[in-house]
Amino acid sequence: NAGVTQTPKFQVLKTGQSMTLQCAQDMNHEYMSWYRQDPGMGLRLIHYSVGAGITDQGEVPNGYNVSRSTTEDFPLRLLSAAPSQTSVYFCASSLSGYVEAFFGQGTRLTVV
Amino acid sequence: AQSVTQLGSHVSVSEGALVLLRCNYSSSVPPYLFWYVQYPNQGLQLLLKYTSAATLVKGINGFEAEFKKSETSFHLTKPSAHMSDAAEYFCAVSVSRWYGGSQGNLIFGKGTKLSVKP
Repeated sequence: NAGVTQTPKFQVLKTGQSMTLQCAQDMNHEYMSWYRQDPGMGLRLIHYSVGAGITDQGEVPNGYNVSRSTTEDFPLRLLSAAPSQTSVYFCASSLSGYVEAFFGQGTRLTVV
Repeated sequence: AQSVTQLGSHVSVSEGALVLLRCNYSSSVPPYLFWYVQYPNQGLQLLLKYTSAATLVKGINGFEAEFKKSETSFHLTKPSAHMSDAAEYFCAVSVSRWYGGSQGNLIFGKGTKLSVKP
């Protein structure tokens, strides 16, 4: 059971670089989300998707792009990395919006 | 808008003692409520959930929580703490889109770190 798989687990970027965080799920879930976790802040929603081809912004979308071309994949793109984007990023998926979400193991990103 | 407040960013208990982690929510419509646990360097794992059935909800690892509408609370308890319970715990709320929720996306509290002393 793979569940939700995030790659990479760790990444160091220089300011201004771009990169894509990958997220894949094998549970045929319609709902997928990206959160960032910062100390003392809990998890904050970046972007979410309710199905292939449908995405929307969450609480902290600035500096991030998403797309959802398949049910399985929901990549998160950092267009021009900034030190403020240093964080741990979690991808989650769920069968619907009102049942429990399954989380990946996280990507620890450092922007220098 | 929905929100969650977790009282106490750090809670320390002795092994065998009662664990009580507090969560209050704000929602003008019926909420769905969740407790998640995060062990160091891992993702979040669901402990239990309330989705308008029984108000006393039992979860994994001996945890339970009681939904109290009058107090807008959903506190997490465990009668006897184990060393393995040391982790960070997150309370979360979501609301059906029929009530204006954002497709049921989770709104998290800021977390409570639980330490268990031998």
